[in-house]
Parts: sequence; structure tokens; C-alpha cells
Amino acid sequence: GNSVTQMEGPVTLSEEAFLTINCTYTATGYPSLFWYVQYPGEGLQLLLKATKADDKGSNKGFEATYRKETTSFHLEKGSVQVSDSAVYFCALSDNTNAGKSTFGDGTTLTVKP
Amino acid sequence: DVKVTQSSRYLVKRTGEKVFLECVQDMDHENMFWYRQDPGLGLRLIYFSYDVKMKEKGDIPEGYSVSREKKERFSLILESASTNQTSMYLCASRDRHNSPLHFGNGTRLTVT
Repeated sequence: GNSVTQMEGPVTLSEEAFLTINCTYTATGYPSLFWYVQYPGEGLQLLLKATKADDKGSNKGFEATYRKETTSFHLEKGSVQVSDSAVYFCALSDNTNAGKSTFGDGTTLTVKP
Repeated sequence: DVKVTQSSRYLVKRTGEKVFLECVQDMDHENMFWYRQDPGLGLRLIYFSYDVKMKEKGDIPEGYSVSREKKERFSLILESASTNQTSMYLCASRDRHNSPLHFGNGTRLTVT
């Protein structure tokens, strides 16, 4: 079956540091890939997505590139802020009509001033 | 903006009770999902539905059932609640397979 493996946390960074959260996946066919973010007390919300190989998703300074050859979708940001503190989930959806999604375990990021 | 509304933020139930968790979405999405979220385990799919009255088991359906009588509403039912069902439950909906999921804010269920 499909699976997503993402970097274990927690991750603690100082403000303005560079962020990388690794994500690799196993799937048949050509899944769509997503990063979601969860702030305390809230549900998940989409951060960015990519639907085919070599696509780059970007939003709010975060970026991730769909790498089919390495089955990876690593999340990066050049300069993190305290407000980026949250839990980040990598996910894929298969190409059935419903798009059943598989999630990684989540990585907790804390950014200190 | 898509809104997914879960009826309760917090619920406390006793072992053996029948529990209903309700979810409503307002964007006419075909597909709806129930996940549970536990520390260190990420999100695990319980059930999903791709149309009214249609449902499919996810990865951990045991002890749960669902109902989708109307397109906008997807209910999760715990037939006889047990303490190992204490968890955060997240409802989500989406349009097509490669569109993002839209999540509710979750229901934190405690079974005592």
C-alpha cells in the first residue's frame, strides 16, 4: 500500500534559520503530493501541493518540489518566523476518484525568537 | 471559502455508549473522510465516502461505522465506545482526487 515517511521531530530553530523537513513516499502510479500545517487547536490546512513530477509548490515562503526519481517532497523555507511554529504533515493522494490520502506522522516545529 | 463544520469540539462519553460525530461541508464536495489523529501516529483513515449512501473502509474501520444520507453530511458512529477510541477525530472533504482536503477543527473525544 501507499506510505509516507517524514522527518521525525520535534524540530527547534531560531528565527531566520533555514528549514528543511524531509518527506519520502511509496505509492503506485502518480500520486498528488501535499504539505499541510496544523496550528494549535485547529484542523489541518493546506500549505502547498504538487500534482506531477518536477512541479514546485510554494506558499508563504515555503517550497517543495515533486521528485519522482527520489520519491521525495521535502519542505523548505529560507527564513522561519516564530509564527511558523506548528505541526507539518506530508501527504499523498492516490489517483482514484475519491483520492484516498495517506499522511506522514507529522513534524512539530518550534521557532524561538 | 470551503467550510467543514464538526458539531462538537469536545465530547466525554462512557464506555459502551453509542456515539455520533457529525460533519457538514458547504461546498458540494463529492468526497468526505473521517480520520483519527493520535500522537506519534499521524492521521489514520477510518472511513470515506465518494457519494451519497456510498462508503468505503479506510485503514482502521474496526469499531466504527458511517452514514451519508445527504451529500453535505457525513456521520461517524462508534457503536459501543471503548477507551482505546479516545482520540482527536478529524473530518475532511475534497472535490477531485488531486485537490486538497479541507478539514474541520476536530472533535476531541474522551471515553471513560
